Amino acid sequence: DAGITQSPRHKVTETGTPVTLRCHQTENHRYMYWYRQDPGHGLRLIHYSYGVKDTDKGEVSDGYSVSRSKTEDFLLTLESATSSQTSVYFCAISNGQRADGYTFGSGTRLTVV
Amino acid sequence: GENVEQHPSTLSVQEGDSAVIKCTYSDSASNYFPWYKQELGKRPQLIIDIRSNVGEKKDQRIAVTLNKTAKHFSLHITETQPEDSAVYFCAAQSGSARQLTFGSGTQLTVLP
Repeated sequence: DAGITQSPRHKVTETGTPVTLRCHQTENHRYMYWYRQDPGHGLRLIHYSYGVKDTDKGEVSDGYSVSRSKTEDFLLTLESATSSQTSVYFCAISNGQRADGYTFGSGTRLTVV
Repeated sequence: GENVEQHPSTLSVQEGDSAVIKCTYSDSASNYFPWYKQELGKRPQLIIDIRSNVGEKKDQRIAVTLNKTAKHFSLHITETQPEDSAVYFCAAQSGSARQLTFGSGTQLTVLP
C-alpha cells in the first residue's frame, strides 16, 4: 500500500530498553523522514535522510538515532526508551525531484511503560 | 528553523457550511505548502498543495490561498459533509532535504 511500510505497527516496551522501528519503501525515493505525533503538537521531525548513509537531525532528535544502509530501509532507534517517547511514529518518503508532498507510512504506536 | 502556527485547534460547522483553517509560517525561504487530512487511526493523506509562485488553487470543494507577503496560507472547504470530519494539518517546506514543518492540527467536526 503506497509503497511504504512500517514495522511493527504496535509495540509496548519497558523504560530503559532499546527499541528499533523500521521503515521500508519500494519507491526508490531519495528522501526519508521520521516524525512523531503527539496531541497538540502535530507532527514533529525527529531525523531525516537524503541518501544512503546521509542523515541529519530534526527538531526533536534527542534520545533517537537513525541508520540508512540501503535506499529502501530507514531505521529509527530509541537508545534507552523513556515514557516521554510514548507516541505514534510516522515514516515518510519523498522523491525530492520537485517541491512535493510526502507519502506517509501507516505509523507505529509505541508505548513505553 | 521554520515555525508554523495553525488556527483554530478545533472547528465545528453545520453540514453544508464552509470551513476555514489558517496557518502562518516564519521562514521566507519556504516555497511549498501542502495540506494533509488525517482520519482517526490513519496516516496523514495529502489533499491539496500550493507552491510559492501561485496565489490560489482549487480542487472541487477544497481551495487553498497563499499570501507570501504576510506569510500566511489558508484552507477553505465549501459545502462541508460529515466525511470531511478529520484532523487537518498545514505544513511548510524548506531546507536542502525538503523537510516539512507541520502546524499543530485542526480537528474539524461537521455536524449533520
